[in-house]
Amino acid sequence: KQEVTQIPAALSVPEGENLVLNCSFTDSAIYNLQWFRQDPGKGLTSLLLIQSSQREQTSGRLNASLDKSSGRSTLYIAASQPGDSATYLCAVRMTTDSWGKLQFGAGTQVVVTP
Amino acid sequence: ETGVTQTPRHLVMGMTNKKSLKCEQHLGHNAMYWYKQSAKKPLELMFVYNFKEQTENNSVPSRFSPECPNSSHLFLHLHTLQPEDSALYLCASSQDRGREQYFGPGTRLTVT
Repeated sequence: KQEVTQIPAALSVPEGENLVLNCSFTDSAIYNLQWFRQDPGKGLTSLLLIQSSQREQTSGRLNASLDKSSGRSTLYIAASQPGDSATYLCAVRMTTDSWGKLQFGAGTQVVVTP
Repeated sequence: ETGVTQTPRHLVMGMTNKKSLKCEQHLGHNAMYWYKQSAKKPLELMFVYNFKEQTENNSVPSRFSPECPNSSHLFLHLHTLQPEDSALYLCASSQDRGREQYFGPGTRLTVT
């Protein structure tokens, strides 16, 4: 049974610092991994999708890496801004899945202080 | 409207009420999903529809009844809910079941 863990559960950094968010999974047979952002009481915004064959994906200040063999993904946010304050979720889809089920971690709540 | 929309955004209902949540996607996608997000718990998948056909029911109680009349619309019919069903209900869609999922803003449901 796949377990997705995100540590730490909460993180506070001053503006300008780089953010490093971790996601680990117990079963390496993943099809892809997706990072999301969720603002309080709102839906999810997709940030990056990494296929199992990829090592990293980049979009602007965001960079996500994937090490499938060790069961880890890391989301880096460069030069953090107060607007980056949100909860960040990672989710994996298994290769054995035929109907698009994403399995989510509990998230990391980020606060960027001015 | 663009993306994935959900109505209502907030809903308060009694345990004996019947209500429905609506989701509409404007992305031309073929797959649609219902998720439940409870406080302090990870997001849980409830139902998946692909080309209007339900492909998975993730052991959801029968008091939740989904309906997908076409590829753009998805409903979640609710009846005789319990207080523990209070949660944020999120709808998502994707081009097909293997592709990136796009989420709506959610419906905040409170069962009294």
